[in-house]
Amino acid sequence: QVQLQESGPGLVKPSETLSLTCTISGSSISSNYYWGWIRQPPGKGLEWIGSILYSGATYYNPSLKSRLTMSLDASKNQLSLKLNSVTATDTAMYYCARIQHWFRWVDPWGQGTLVTVSS
Amino acid sequence: QSALTQPASVSGSPGQSITISCTGTSSDVGGYNYVSWYQQHPGEAPKLMIYDVDNRPSGVSNRFSGSKSGNTASLTISGLQAEDEADYYCSSYASSYSSTTLVFGGGTKLTVL
Repeated sequence: QVQLQESGPGLVKPSETLSLTCTISGSSISSNYYWGWIRQPPGKGLEWIGSILYSGATYYNPSLKSRLTMSLDASKNQLSLKLNSVTATDTAMYYCARIQHWFRWVDPWGQGTLVTVSS
Repeated sequence: QSALTQPASVSGSPGQSITISCTGTSSDVGGYNYVSWYQQHPGEAPKLMIYDVDNRPSGVSNRFSGSKSGNTASLTISGLQAEDEADYYCSSYASSYSSTTLVFGGGTKLTVL
């Protein structure tokens, strides 16, 4: 059974960098799936952030691309997210997830971690 | 790519059927059979309910079904039950000359009366 667990600071100051880690169990990060991040501002809908394949193929949301870096660490079986120059609009629940090729489906999802951007 | 369009809310009584629409373009919903649907209860992570337009993952009730016509996909829930009350999101693979993305709908709140 594949499980994902997000971790990272719950509070980030404006203009700083938001950094999150997702630890994956039950599946190797080098398996033939994408791994990705999806966020949900409080009371709002889902927004895809980006997807990355172990081979290096990476797809980012164009609206976030200039501030975004995603990477995989096979030694720790972890996925990471870095989003720089954050503002209050980046406040959201951040989910990591496994994503099928062609983005056919997202499953499973982590439980999510709430990140608030505030001074 | 823009978000897919869903109704903000739908409602139905127990035992009835409801349908939630998800409208996109030929660059996403209409161009690929890669539409999926997610159920989200308050305080929980989304759960995959339908993938590849009309396929149910193991463990999902057969009361949930999906379909697509042109640029609009639909999720139908038959025999409504109280536990079906949740938010529902559609998503689709989307590709243009400039980018390849995953797009979500804005979400639909289902109320079981």
